[in-house]
Amino acid sequence: AQSVSQHNHHVILSEAASLELGCNYSYGGTVNLFWYVQYPGQHLQLLLKYFSGDPLVKGIKGFEAEFIKSKFSFNLRKPSVQWSDTAEYFCAVRAWNTGFQKLVFGTGTRLLVSP
Amino acid sequence: DAGVTQSPTHLIKTRGQQVTLRCSPKSGHDTVSWYQQALGQGPQFIFQYYEEEERQRGNFPDRFSGHQFPNYSSELNVNALLLGDSALYLCASSLRGTSTDTQYFGPGTRLTVL
Repeated sequence: AQSVSQHNHHVILSEAASLELGCNYSYGGTVNLFWYVQYPGQHLQLLLKYFSGDPLVKGIKGFEAEFIKSKFSFNLRKPSVQWSDTAEYFCAVRAWNTGFQKLVFGTGTRLLVSP
Repeated sequence: DAGVTQSPTHLIKTRGQQVTLRCSPKSGHDTVSWYQQALGQGPQFIFQYYEEEERQRGNFPDRFSGHQFPNYSSELNVNALLLGDSALYLCASSLRGTSTDTQYFGPGTRLTVL
């Protein structure tokens, strides 16, 4: 069965620090990959996505992620975090088969950015 | 352009009762997926509706059922509620069949079972 691992459950950073959140998945076939963010009191929002092509994808608010197929990874990065990046971040994977639509989520990483 | 909307926002029920949650998809979307997010966990897929039929189902018992209407809106029904059903229930909508099919989430319904 598909699974998604986010190894960092809680991350605390100071403003301007660099961020990297890990995401590994278990499925060996063709995948679509997503990062969603949930700001305090708000709903899940799409941060970025990878379907095909350039493995380095850029999202909103200066975030980027790199798909490394050989490592089954899709790590999220930001060179310099802001206090407003405090949120919970979820990695999600979808196995692209005909009719196979569900997203499998990791357990999430809570990021706290101190001013 | 309205996003995904869900109602109600919060709901309190007692064990054994039944509940119905509602979702309206984002304008232009035809597919609705439902997820359960327990406290401290990532969302877990319940099922997906497309063309008024359940197309895929996650590992949830038959107490969880759903419906999709001709206007693409959807309902999630849970019968014989258990304490463990307390969670945030998320609805996501998408446009099926496109190469860049992406799910957009609503704000969720917080269900508390006492």
